[in-house]
Amino acid sequence: DTGVSQNPRHKITKRGQNVTFRCDPISEHNRLYWYRQTLGQGPEFLTYFQNEAQLEKSRLLSDRFSAERPKGSFSTLEIQRTEQGDSAMYLCASGPLWGGGEKLFFGSGTQLSVL
Amino acid sequence: GENVEQHPSTLSVQEGDSAVIKCTYSDSASNYFPWYKQELGKGPQLIIDIRSNVGEKKDQRIAVTLNKTAKHFSLHITETQPEDSAVYFCAALWGNDMRFGAGTRLTVKP
Repeated sequence: DTGVSQNPRHKITKRGQNVTFRCDPISEHNRLYWYRQTLGQGPEFLTYFQNEAQLEKSRLLSDRFSAERPKGSFSTLEIQRTEQGDSAMYLCASGPLWGGGEKLFFGSGTQLSVL
Repeated sequence: GENVEQHPSTLSVQEGDSAVIKCTYSDSASNYFPWYKQELGKGPQLIIDIRSNVGEKKDQRIAVTLNKTAKHFSLHITETQPEDSAVYFCAALWGNDMRFGAGTRLTVKP
């Protein structure tokens, strides 16, 4: 197991375009999280899945953002009609079910630049 | 909701010295406090954590102390090495939502 994998590592897009990121969690982990990190700040929670169920969404997650985890394994995060303010690092994390909200393992993130 | 404040924002120490980073949190219901290290181009990596029923935890050169009454916790790194240079984040678990501090950029000068 190589840990949490995120693709792509970098994405440059024009304002108004749609983008989709993928996260492959550690295989035995039931919990999956998406976070957003801007320069000089800590990660901010976006959404949480337990298996395929999306159990929690932050108010930061506007209607333009949607996340899925269709089979309880990998997850995708889509941003529609991107805006310059969406530029950030998007981090995925996973954790074992027994850990509650603890023991999160992060991927290396997808750096999004909206021009 | 939970609010986590972290200081200092930058810290520079000489190799071999100790480094201390402090965090405060607002919600007394939080009961899990991890510390993450983030190197350039990588995601945060869990380095140590503590639960609210414990006052101190140590793992080799790093230790974390928790004062639940005062709602603050600290990371202590002893005998610092250049490879300790990174951004360190504290966090507090609030429900399923891990709230992070703004980070401390630690530089260890050889």
